[in-house]
Amino acid sequence: TQLLEQSPQFLSIQEGENLTVYCNSSSVFSSLQWYRQEPGEGPVLLVTVVTGGEVKKLKRLTFQFGDARKDSSLHITAAQPGDTGLYLCAGYTQQAGTALIFGKGTTLSVSS
Amino acid sequence: DAGITQSPRHKVTETGTPVTLRCHQTENHRYMYWYRQDPGHGLRLIHYSYGVKDTDKGEVSDGYSVSRSKTEDFLLTLESATSSQTSVYFCAISSGTSVSNIQYFGAGTRLSVL
Repeated sequence: TQLLEQSPQFLSIQEGENLTVYCNSSSVFSSLQWYRQEPGEGPVLLVTVVTGGEVKKLKRLTFQFGDARKDSSLHITAAQPGDTGLYLCAGYTQQAGTALIFGKGTTLSVSS
Repeated sequence: DAGITQSPRHKVTETGTPVTLRCHQTENHRYMYWYRQDPGHGLRLIHYSYGVKDTDKGEVSDGYSVSRSKTEDFLLTLESATSSQTSVYFCAISSGTSVSNIQYFGAGTRLSVL
């Protein structure tokens, strides 16, 4: 059972477009993290959201945690080729304890 | 960058042979993790360690064993490699397990079992 469902799985857009990636679950998460991974490298943390309804901004990236702490979204404004990569959401649940549960990821390709 | 080194970075082996992957950290973090990453499956936890000689199973532990004799080293062993274990393996470390703790990942080991 996949606890975290990410959508879309693939996204191919032109430079300057906006996009949103979604991370949904039927379970409540203590926190949700977003990672970005480039080819040949390990994931790197972008942000952690902890409080329901929380919104965090990182330059052109906006992250939101749902009020019920079951979902999160990543919005990129005016995408650039440098945003290309695999975006992963991950979260901790009380049941999972110390283990991070990962979504399957969204592969983003931004062309100039 | 977190000091995590995975070795080897690439390995090709034959079915039935034993394989050991090594993760070395210089951060003195208590928690260490082994994940595998496969297309369509994302990252899945194999085993993790919460201290020297303290380990526990993850979601996909069958066919894998781990050992941690020193804080800085976490070994993943495939006793008899199978083609289904062809994957990219990532090691991660964390200083704690609170909701705000960050996991830092190594660069990965690409393993092909022929």
